[in-house]
Amino acid sequence: AQSVTQLGSHVSVSEGALVLLRCNYSSSVPPYLFWYVQYPNQGLQLLLKYTSAATLVKGINGFEAEFKKSETSFHLTKPSAHMSDAAEYFCAVSDDTGRRALTFGSGTRLQVQP
Amino acid sequence: EPEVTQTPSHQVTQMGQEVILRCVPISNHLYFYWYRQILGQKVEFLVSFYNNEISEKSEIFDDQFSVERPDGSNFTLKIRSTKLEDSAMYFCASSEVPGVAGVTQYFGPGTRLTVL
Repeated sequence: AQSVTQLGSHVSVSEGALVLLRCNYSSSVPPYLFWYVQYPNQGLQLLLKYTSAATLVKGINGFEAEFKKSETSFHLTKPSAHMSDAAEYFCAVSDDTGRRALTFGSGTRLQVQP
Repeated sequence: EPEVTQTPSHQVTQMGQEVILRCVPISNHLYFYWYRQILGQKVEFLVSFYNNEISEKSEIFDDQFSVERPDGSNFTLKIRSTKLEDSAMYFCASSEVPGVAGVTQYFGPGTRLTVL
């Protein structure tokens, strides 16, 4: 069975500071990994995804994530936070067994302080 | 940019009533999904639908739930007799390329269902 753990339900950073949101996964087969963002009163928007090509994945809005198999991690980073980055971020996993359902983590709410 | 739409944005109903949540997936997508998020909890998979039949469902998706594609554009989730614990945000999603795992699922804005 797959699972995703997001460490830190709330993360607060200053504007201009590094953003690091942690995601660890558990999967018995090679995973596909996703980061979604949810702005207030909106749906889930894909930030980036890993599908076994490059381990460093670049997404929208300056975000990137690195797949580390040895650490079973897929942490999300952004070098410099912007006020508009304040949102909830979800890590999710699926796999190549043909099962397409996403398994989500519990989410991390990012606050950006001026 | 094409997007998934959902109606209504908020539905309030009495326990025991039937509700139908509606979704319009992206027009060239072939795979459709419903997820839900109970307040303060994880987003959970309910069901996926392809070629006019359920492809996959979770243990949450019991006999109280059903899905349908009544026409060429809509995808619906019906809850036959709502319970208090059905109160949640329900997200519809769609994707293309049915044979490829890891394909991007595009989510709608959600319907907040409140059962009183």
